[in-house]
Amino acid sequence: EDKVVQSPLSLVVHEGDTVTLNCSYEVTNFRSLLWYKQEKKAPTFLFMLTSSGIEKKSGRLSSILDKKELFSILNITATQTGDSAIYLCAVAYGQNFVFGPGTRLSVLP
Amino acid sequence: SQTIHQWPATLVQPVGSPLSLECTVEGTSNPNLYWYRQAAGRGLQLLFYSVGIGQISSEVPQNLSASRPQDRQFILSSKKLLLSDSGFYLCAWSGFYDEQFFGPGTRLTVL
Repeated sequence: EDKVVQSPLSLVVHEGDTVTLNCSYEVTNFRSLLWYKQEKKAPTFLFMLTSSGIEKKSGRLSSILDKKELFSILNITATQTGDSAIYLCAVAYGQNFVFGPGTRLSVLP
Repeated sequence: SQTIHQWPATLVQPVGSPLSLECTVEGTSNPNLYWYRQAAGRGLQLLFYSVGIGQISSEVPQNLSASRPQDRQFILSSKKLLLSDSGFYLCAWSGFYDEQFFGPGTRLTVL
């Protein structure tokens, strides 16, 4: 069964657009939800969310978690071509981690 | 600061050959260690994780195995590779918190 679902799977926008990436999950013993950016090789850490309703922000990126509805969103404002990447959502539960399939974001100049 | 190393960066192996991928972490002690595989265009699949020397948990039954002979060394092995073992293999570590830090990865092609 799919424990972590991301949408959309692929997205093409133009520079300056704002995008919202979605991640929903269904696990027991939830610990945290994490967002990563993967460009060519290793994913790099963006955010870790453990509490509902508290927005995490870093520059043009922000993220929030809803533990009641079991989802998180990642917002990117004023997108740049350097934001083109695969954005991965992961959920830590019990002793396990599970990653979603990722959203492939392409930002065109 | 902590760093994580993986080698080799790329590997081409024939079906039925053995495999050994190595991962080492510097700058931290008693890390949690993880092996992931990423098929083309797909998310990361957790293969093994380890919370200490000699402690290995497997998430997916397969012809791969993992070992942790030292605190900061994690090895992924196979006795006989299958075509389906092709993919991008990532090692990661985590400390007290859940955020994982990934190595540069090994791209394995089985022919």
